[in-house]
Amino acid sequence: KNQVEQSPQSLIILEGKNCTLQCNYTVSPFSNLRWYKQDTGRGPVSLTIMTFSENTKSNGRYTATLDADTKQSSLHITASQLSDSASYICVVTGFQKLVFGTGTRLLVSP
Amino acid sequence: DVKVTQSSRYLVKRTGEKVFLECVQDMDHENMFWYRQDPGLGLRLIYFSYDVKMKEKGDIPEGYSVSREKKERFSLILESASTNQTSMYLCASSFGGLSLFNNEQFFGPGTRLTVL
Repeated sequence: KNQVEQSPQSLIILEGKNCTLQCNYTVSPFSNLRWYKQDTGRGPVSLTIMTFSENTKSNGRYTATLDADTKQSSLHITASQLSDSASYICVVTGFQKLVFGTGTRLLVSP
Repeated sequence: DVKVTQSSRYLVKRTGEKVFLECVQDMDHENMFWYRQDPGLGLRLIYFSYDVKMKEKGDIPEGYSVSREKKERFSLILESASTNQTSMYLCASSFGGLSLFNNEQFFGPGTRLTVL
């Protein structure tokens, strides 16, 4: 069954600290993996996209990694800011299908 | 910048009412999508369209229909709203291509629908 599981469900960190969000998937065949950021009451916005051959990709303070062998991805946020408070959704593209994770809700506390 | 707009941010309707949710994109995208988002379930695809007047069912089409008369506009219709359709509805669009789902989808801000 095609699934995307994210952990943790929620996370609270202090401003300025780093954190890592996890995404495990069982989607097959695999086309690409995206991380989206969704602010409260807003639609998701793409942060990164990774294909099978890519191990790591950065977008400012966001760095995504992909291990296609173990079917795991992570999103690392460096030097967190209050504006990073949001839900982060992992999305895997399979055959004619997008499979969404349920997201990790991050709260950055001052 | 790609802009996807939705007609309402918040909507309250009564059971049995016919509900129209409108979505407009300004990037000449071929593909458009409607999702609903519920806590703990993630986004689920209701319907999508890859061309004007073309529509395909997603994973949860029951109780919904769609209309795409113009390329930039994609409407979601709840023929007879029910309380279990209370949800956040997100519209998205993307460029066309060989695979409908490979290209990045750009999302609108969402419509939070409450059915009483």
